[in-house]
Amino acid sequence: DVKVTQSSRYLVKRTGEKVFLECVQDMDHENMFWYRQDPGLGLRLIYFSYDVKMKEKGDIPEGYSVSREKKERFSLILESASTNQTSMYLCASSFAPELTDTQYFGPGTRLTVL
Amino acid sequence: SQKIEQNSEALNIQEGKTATLTCNYTNYSPAYLQWYRQDPGRGPVFLLLIRENEKEKRKERLKVTFDTTLKQSLFHITASQPADSATYLCALSTGGGNKLTFGTGTQLKVEL
Repeated sequence: DVKVTQSSRYLVKRTGEKVFLECVQDMDHENMFWYRQDPGLGLRLIYFSYDVKMKEKGDIPEGYSVSREKKERFSLILESASTNQTSMYLCASSFAPELTDTQYFGPGTRLTVL
Repeated sequence: SQKIEQNSEALNIQEGKTATLTCNYTNYSPAYLQWYRQDPGRGPVFLLLIRENEKEKRKERLKVTFDTTLKQSLFHITASQPADSATYLCALSTGGGNKLTFGTGTQLKVEL
């Protein structure tokens, strides 16, 4: 079974803090993704990576950056957290040669920015 | 860009009945269409995939249909149970080997 883990289930930070969200997958997947999910807006792609040190912007990259130094780990960074970044953050991975793009998600991190 | 529409209103049905959820999309037909289940406070979980050249796919009590003429997929849960209560997301892929486009999901509530 594919396992995707995220560093925290719940996180509370203050405005202006730098926030790191970590994601690790154990299935040697090439692709990794970061989404945020808000009521009524669904899943919105922030960034994705299709290889180590490679990254591409998704639909809402503003205010975020990412890092992928190892294949199994994909980090999302909020350089200076703001209240409008309060959300559920979901990490996912997929196996690139499998063209179906089926994604495997982590449990999510509920981030609150005060 | 691709747009996906799922009914934003919750669907309430009685236990034992068949639940039918709808996914409509605009623009090009995807190579693959997938359905995911999401429980509150959890990440989505993959359920079923159907290819563009398939009309129907089944897995236990689940059935998915795919009509590329109507640009629509229907997701059915037969003999529904309270444990089936969740939000169900539709997702489309072009088969390019990376991104999915997700719908906003439909919440299903199965009542006793």
